[in-house]
Amino acid sequence: DVKVTQSSRYLVKRTGEKVFLECVQDMDHENMFWYRQDPGLGLRLIYFSYDVKMKEKGDIPEGYSVSREKKERFSLILESASTNQTSMYLCASSFSGRAGETQYFGPGTRLLVL
Amino acid sequence: KNEVEQSPQNLTAQEGEFITINCSYSVGISALHWLQQHPGGGIVSLFMLSSGKKKHGRLIATINIQEKHSSLHITASHPRDSAVYICAVNGNQFYFGTGTSLTVIP
Repeated sequence: DVKVTQSSRYLVKRTGEKVFLECVQDMDHENMFWYRQDPGLGLRLIYFSYDVKMKEKGDIPEGYSVSREKKERFSLILESASTNQTSMYLCASSFSGRAGETQYFGPGTRLLVL
Repeated sequence: KNEVEQSPQNLTAQEGEFITINCSYSVGISALHWLQQHPGGGIVSLFMLSSGKKKHGRLIATINIQEKHSSLHITASHPRDSAVYICAVNGNQFYFGTGTSLTVIP
């Protein structure tokens, strides 16, 4: 079974803090994704990575950066957290990103920025 | 503009009822996914469809490629089916619907 884990289920940070969200997958997947999910807006793609040290911007990359130093780990970084980044963050991975492939999701991190 | 539209947004049903959730999309796709999100956030993939129909237990998913429409049916609904159901399509990127929140009352 594919397992995607995220470092925290709940996180509370203050405005201006630097925030790291980590995601690890154990199935040697090439592709990893970071989404945020907000009521009424559904899932929106922030960044994705198709290989180690490779990254591509998604729909809403502003205010975020990512790091993929190892294949199994994909980190989302909020350089200076703001209240509008309060959200549920979901990490996902897929084997190769070919058309029609399923993404496997982590349990999510609920971030509150005060 | 939403590439994927789901209806209804919210649905309340009595235990045992037959439930249908609809998904329409406007882009060319190679596959459509139905996802289930439990309270607390975890997402589970239910189905991946490129044509026809799939069945898993009490869940049935259908897709009509020509009409760009898919339905998820739940037969003999149960309170444990209460969750958010999300439709996603795989075109040149993944597009997600905003989800249907289902509550099944005992």
